[in-house]
Amino acid sequence: GQQLNQSPQSMFIQEGEDASMNCTSSSIFNTWLWYKQDPGEGPVLLIALYKAGELTSNGRLTAQFGITRKDSFLNISASIPSDVGIYFCAGQGDSGGSNYKLTFGKGTLLTVNP
Amino acid sequence: GAVVSQHPSWVICKSGTSVKIECRSLDFQATTMFWYRQFPKQSLMLMATSNEGSKATYEQGVEKDKFLINHASLTLSTLTVTSAHPEDSSFYICSAQGGGVYGQPQHFGDGTRLSIL
Repeated sequence: GQQLNQSPQSMFIQEGEDASMNCTSSSIFNTWLWYKQDPGEGPVLLIALYKAGELTSNGRLTAQFGITRKDSFLNISASIPSDVGIYFCAGQGDSGGSNYKLTFGKGTLLTVNP
Repeated sequence: GAVVSQHPSWVICKSGTSVKIECRSLDFQATTMFWYRQFPKQSLMLMATSNEGSKATYEQGVEKDKFLINHASLTLSTLTVTSAHPEDSSFYICSAQGGGVYGQPQHFGDGTRLSIL
């Protein structure tokens, strides 16, 4: 099946620093979503993007829907220890016809050193 | 809002046992529910999609007779792992989507850790 290329695979930053991660796809999506997953729990929706070029913020999080509809990035500003976790991007509504399904990236493991 | 409850959170049982996992949308009506499987340090793999009142659609390679899905109401879907074996041990996560297949993001339950001895 289709996959998203998510990078970096992991990152280690100091508390207070910003963290950026991105996802790219070979095909277009109608919706981009960013989730955070803590160990032993389900993913929690952080930001949903519905329009190409859209830039959306949720507190210290900012995400953008790429103008080509094939990419998205997430930025976390002024990181704090509770930002630790795995961040997944997900695209919905590709050109393959299964418009309701989510295609997930492989995740970015974020570690924040106090 | 958009709370999805999954139960149980952890199951340990003997090989050959059938295990039922429930997924409920607590504060919205879920026209579509999804079941995923996640192996350690990996991403989520979609197993099947279920719409209320109709048969589930399974992804390629997922045995429908092994993983029985029922979506009898707009707030409840169940996944039954029949005659479970150690290779079925995994983290199973459901998600729910309201308002039709477009326009609404999927909201996830907290997952069920299944361990088959």
